[in-house]
Amino acid sequence: DAGVTQSPTHLIKTRGQQVTLRCSPKSGHDTVSWYQQALGQGPQFIFQYYEEEERQRGNFPDRFSGHQFPNYSSELNVNALLLGDSALYLCASSLLRFTSSYGYTFGSGTRLTVV
Amino acid sequence: AQSVTQPDIHITVSEGASLELRCNYSYGATPYLFWYVQSPGQGLQLLLKYFSGDTLVQGIKGFEAEFKRSQSSFNLRKPSVHWSDAAEYFCAETSGGSYIPTFGRGTSLIVHP
Repeated sequence: DAGVTQSPTHLIKTRGQQVTLRCSPKSGHDTVSWYQQALGQGPQFIFQYYEEEERQRGNFPDRFSGHQFPNYSSELNVNALLLGDSALYLCASSLLRFTSSYGYTFGSGTRLTVV
Repeated sequence: AQSVTQPDIHITVSEGASLELRCNYSYGATPYLFWYVQSPGQGLQLLLKYFSGDTLVQGIKGFEAEFKRSQSSFNLRKPSVHWSDAAEYFCAETSGGSYIPTFGRGTSLIVHP
C-alpha cells in the first residue's frame, strides 16, 4: 500500500518564477493538506483540500494556490517566488472524518530552493 | 489561537539512557495530541496519539507519552534510547472542530554512543 508520494524531491527556482509541486495521497484518503517547513522550524499549515475545494487556509499569501483532482491528488502552486519561499514542502493526506483523531500521513516532501 | 510549545531546541543523551521530550499545549478543552518524528530529509512519521481515555499512551519504536491536563503537557518518553532514535521530534495538537494540527517548532535529539 503506497503512502503519500510527492514530486519532485528537489527543485531549484529563480526568484520571480512560478513552481508547481505534486502530491498523491495514501490509498483510501480523501483529504490533502500542504505544509511549509522552513529550516529549523515546525511545519506551517498552508491549506487543505477536500472534494476538490479548499477547505481551510493558513496564513499564507494568495501567491500560494492549490488544486485537488477527482482522484484526490493535489498540486501546490507558488507564484512570484521569493527567497523566503525556500523550504521543505510537505504534503499530508487523511480521511476527513478521522483526521482529528488519527492524524495525517506525510510524504517525504519537496525541497524547494529559490536563488 | 492554538499554540504548541517545545521548550527544548536540542536534547543530547547517551545511547541506553532514558529520554523525555517536553511539550505544552494551549487548548483549554481536551485536545487531540500527537508526536511525530522526522529523520533527516524525510517526512513526518506518527509515533503516537492521544484523544481520550488512558492518559498514558504507547506508540511505535518503544515510545510512550503521558497526557497531564493539570500541566497542559504531553511529554514523550523512552526508557532506553538507541542511536537510530536521533531525529527531529514534533509535538502537535488539533482541537475543537479544527482538523488542522498545529505543530511545535521541534526538538532535535542527538544520541551519543
